[in-house]
Amino acid sequence: QSVLTQPPSTSGTPGQRVTISCSGSSSNIGTDFVYWYQQVPGAAPKLLISKNDQRPSGVPDRFSGSKSGTSASLLISGLRSEDEADYHCASWDDSLSAVVFGGGTRLTVL
Amino acid sequence: QVLLVESGGNLVKPGGSLRLSCAASGFSFGNYYMSWIRQAPGKGLEWVSHISTSGKTVYYADSVKGRFTVSRDNAKSSVFLLMNNMSAGDTAIYYCARRLVGWASLDYWGLGTLVTVSS
Repeated sequence: QSVLTQPPSTSGTPGQRVTISCSGSSSNIGTDFVYWYQQVPGAAPKLLISKNDQRPSGVPDRFSGSKSGTSASLLISGLRSEDEADYHCASWDDSLSAVVFGGGTRLTVL
Repeated sequence: QVLLVESGGNLVKPGGSLRLSCAASGFSFGNYYMSWIRQAPGKGLEWVSHISTSGKTVYYADSVKGRFTVSRDNAKSSVFLLMNNMSAGDTAIYYCARRLVGWASLDYWGLGTLVTVSS
């Protein structure tokens, strides 16, 4: 059972917009930044969104992040086949004194 | 370019020990916190440990506290994870990652090393 809650799966067709949610609490998302990681099957995770809504160098602007209260969202617009991957949200939890992750969301591009 | 290469993963019996290594290159290793994160087969990511730049400050997940020890050798640009009293629940791919200022900000990851705990 993950501290942050994500839907286990979602899907979309090429060109569509897809949103992945990440729900937490006042001890994690409510007080710290949210980070998003993309993990292509069989590969290591890659930092996709930093500090709620910042894209590291090289990340396409099709990817955007937002945070409101104790929840966060990852928006992928103009969906492409290469976006098919697992997406994980993460934050720091003050009560646990630990980095916490969501369970991950498998995105399928139909 | 930044490169992190983990090694040391293996099959180990319950109650056994294993030491993982992560060799870093392409950046000023001593200037960065380093982290270990694991992923059990078919599961999500689980943070394991952070170690400060000097190695004097360490943090652990409750699930490994008292059994795992993280350390680093800045002269060799390497970070280590010593795992003791291992159980089946420790079976996972173990990744090392470079940590930025944010606690959960991990900007570069290695490819991981597989640890299997089984009799």
